Amino acid sequence: SQQGEEDPQALSIQEGENATMNCSYKTSINNLQWYRQNSGRGLVHLILIRSNEREKHSGRLRVTLDTSKKSSSLLITASRAADTASYFCAVGRTGTASKLTFGTGTRLQVTL
Amino acid sequence: EAQVTQNPRYLITVTGKKLTVTCSQNMNHEYMSWYRQDPGLGLRQIYYSMNVEVTDKGDVPEGYKVSRKEKRNFPLILESPSPNQTSLYFCASRAIGSGLAKNIQYFGAGTRLSVL
Repeated sequence: SQQGEEDPQALSIQEGENATMNCSYKTSINNLQWYRQNSGRGLVHLILIRSNEREKHSGRLRVTLDTSKKSSSLLITASRAADTASYFCAVGRTGTASKLTFGTGTRLQVTL
Repeated sequence: EAQVTQNPRYLITVTGKKLTVTCSQNMNHEYMSWYRQDPGLGLRQIYYSMNVEVTDKGDVPEGYKVSRKEKRNFPLILESPSPNQTSLYFCASRAIGSGLAKNIQYFGAGTRLSVL
């Protein structure tokens, strides 16, 4: 079964609004990452948060991690039409340092 | 430019006709991996390789083969493709070791395969 499960599956917002996506996982992790995929293209790494970190920022992105709840959230502030894409969380599990397990993704649509 | 290159980008074939999808990376990464992406199922790992001549099964290896004779190349082989292997395939690579940067995977642009 998938380690990372994103919620919601799809999200539609207007430009300028904030977008929040959530990810839940099942086992102990070493790190959690978020990737972006434009339609039919390869995934691009956005941000990584370690298991001992609670929050991380990168530009308009903010990621939080709650290991007690086994969940993470990705916040995109002041969204733009160019943010339209699918967003995936990926967990790097403890003991399997090289393996990343991806969730099913959240499809974000940002309209003008 | 650091990149992972897959070829071909699009492929239509018929059941049973052997095919190979190539993958090459220019970042000297030890770890390489193949995924397939299907609607509603996300990315599922097919095979991975920790280094030259070291390969292992992922979550959905049935019907696929790989080889890692050189560090930069990691071809995906479908000996006898079937319609249920119609999918979008991605190759990825990353370095191995400590440090945050070594956890990041780099993806190819994808190969869309249709098996008729």
